[in-house]
Amino acid sequence: NAGVTQTPKFRILKIGQSMTLQCTQDMNHNYMYWYRQDPGMGLKLIYYSVGAGITDKGEVPNGYNVSRSTTEDFPLRLELAAPSQTSVYFCASSYSMAYEQYFGPGTRLTVT
Amino acid sequence: DQQVKQNSPSLSVQEGRISILNCDYTNSMFDYFLWYKKYPAEGPTFLISISSIKDKNEDGRFTVFLNKSAKHLSLHIVPSQPGDSAVYFCAASPGSADGLTFGKGTHLIIQP
Repeated sequence: NAGVTQTPKFRILKIGQSMTLQCTQDMNHNYMYWYRQDPGMGLKLIYYSVGAGITDKGEVPNGYNVSRSTTEDFPLRLELAAPSQTSVYFCASSYSMAYEQYFGPGTRLTVT
Repeated sequence: DQQVKQNSPSLSVQEGRISILNCDYTNSMFDYFLWYKKYPAEGPTFLISISSIKDKNEDGRFTVFLNKSAKHLSLHIVPSQPGDSAVYFCAASPGSADGLTFGKGTHLIIQP
């Protein structure tokens, strides 16, 4: 059981470039989430999904898009990267709504 | 507007003594509270949780106390061990699928 896996671990983007952060879970969880963590801050919710084909915005969705075509995968797309998107991104999943969430190891993204 | 507040950015405790981490919240809709532990370069790991219908939950060395009238919860670690050195995040949920609201974290340092 790998749990929640994220790729890549690190990435440097130039302003205006695009990329997709990958997230996969093997626990058959319906609920999946994307958070970002800025230095000295808590995690903030970007997008979440309650099942395949269903996504919704969190607290800080601007500049991001998501899709959920399967139960296992929940990719996060950055379009036109900006320095404000420099952060550590965490994907999480849970069996039931909003209870214990299991986190991936994170992707550290720098936009210059 | 911070709905979950951890007012101590850091806390230093001697090995073997009790560590007490505090958390305050403002949203009366929160009914489930969690503590996560995070090591550098890793994702947060679930530690312990408490429902609003309880005032205490215990798991080994970790106990969480909830005071609903004061909108305050605390995490007690007894006895503190060197491996407990990490950043601890308090998180809260209104029991919906909207994800968790996190505090900024407290860096716990266990001194030998």
